Amino acid sequence: GENVEQHPSTLSVQEGDSAVIKCTYSDSASNYFPWYKQELGKRPQLIIDIRSNVGEKKDQRIAVTLNKTAKHFSLHITETQPEDSAVYFCAAKVEGNKLVFGAGTILRVKS
Amino acid sequence: GAGVSQSPSNKVTEKGKDVELRCDPISGHTALYWYRQSLGQGLEFLIYFQGNSAPDKSGLPSDRFSAERTGGSVSTLTIQRTQQEDSAVYLCASSLQDDYGYTFGSGTRLTVV
Repeated sequence: GENVEQHPSTLSVQEGDSAVIKCTYSDSASNYFPWYKQELGKRPQLIIDIRSNVGEKKDQRIAVTLNKTAKHFSLHITETQPEDSAVYFCAAKVEGNKLVFGAGTILRVKS
Repeated sequence: GAGVSQSPSNKVTEKGKDVELRCDPISGHTALYWYRQSLGQGLEFLIYFQGNSAPDKSGLPSDRFSAERTGGSVSTLTIQRTQQEDSAVYLCASSLQDDYGYTFGSGTRLTVV
């Protein structure tokens, strides 16, 4: 079955710096890759997603890139702010239309 | 409704008791998913409903776990003879189509003592 690996498990950056989180997947048939942000004690919320027919997508300070050949995708956050501190999960859609999630990255933005 | 509703928000139960967790998806969403999140861990898939199709139960960890979805809307996740390792946050999500990102509920925090 699909396996999604996410790195790093924790990431500390200074406010204003960029943050990059990387994920790899194993199932070449996967075609949809969302990213979720989960603040402490709250529900995961979709922040950006990308489909396999594009290589990059941007939404203000957030961008996602996809390399289908290498089977990896990344989340890029620029000009980080303290409110970006949270746990971020990547995911890949597999056959049967369920999402397999990475283990999560704890992002800490230091002010 | 405006979002995915889950109840109860918290549940403390004694080991060996049965529990029922409820999920009310966003109106019109045809797909409904249950995930489990243990403390500090990722999201573990449990079960997936899509319209009138047979559910994908491949993530249920044991036969003590079952779920149903009545009338294509509300879903109930039942855990029989609860064990301490069942303690976790149980998250429900729904989506308009299979291709779209999920909207999660706030979850039910289950504690088995």
